[in-house]
Amino acid sequence: DTAVSQTPKYLVTQMGNDKSIKCEQNLGHDTMYWYKQDSKKFLKIMFSYNNKELIINETVPNRFSPKSPDKAHLNLHINSLELGDSAVYFCASSPPPQETQYFGPGTRLLVL
Amino acid sequence: AQSVTQLDSQVPVFEEAPVELRCNYSSSVSVYLFWYVQYPNQGLQLLLKYLSGSTLVKGINGFEAEFNKSQTSFHLRKPSVHISDTAEYFCAVSDRNFNKFYFGSGTKLNVKP
Repeated sequence: DTAVSQTPKYLVTQMGNDKSIKCEQNLGHDTMYWYKQDSKKFLKIMFSYNNKELIINETVPNRFSPKSPDKAHLNLHINSLELGDSAVYFCASSPPPQETQYFGPGTRLLVL
Repeated sequence: AQSVTQLDSQVPVFEEAPVELRCNYSSSVSVYLFWYVQYPNQGLQLLLKYLSGSTLVKGINGFEAEFNKSQTSFHLRKPSVHISDTAEYFCAVSDRNFNKFYFGSGTKLNVKP
């Protein structure tokens, strides 16, 4: 029944590693997002996809590469992880006209 | 560009007391306004939104918010809180195309028995 799901829930890794976070929504929405929530709880949009096409890329380092194999999935791959990447990453989706977003439970990434 | 300021990082309140969580925004264009709630270890859920029409907006769980254009505020209120309202509350604005959402830093509401 989960509307927006993310895996893994927790991710602990070493600096320099490459990791991926998966997101899936079963709501039939066309638009999906990735957000980063830092230690001060600021939630900032990273990417927005509509029907598998990139709409927004908010000055995110190119170590972050989103991939949307179909409109129900938006995965986030991160290369060469840095300490500052430690955060909670939220996936979200929205139906037209994109006024309401449905968030996943978040992935807590800790880079050591 | 838009920005959102939530003046209180934490608000402690006793059960059944009223509460107001403050949100101010800045924008050079017309915006839409939202309040989201985040329960521990969960994603955000929409509480309410202001798009147009009446400036007093009612949401789920007995919450309401009032859009004040002259003061650029969108404060969230509830006349009587429950323990289950303990959560983090985020104010957000978006442009008219819903292309970008800007969130505040959150206010942690702690309801005490």
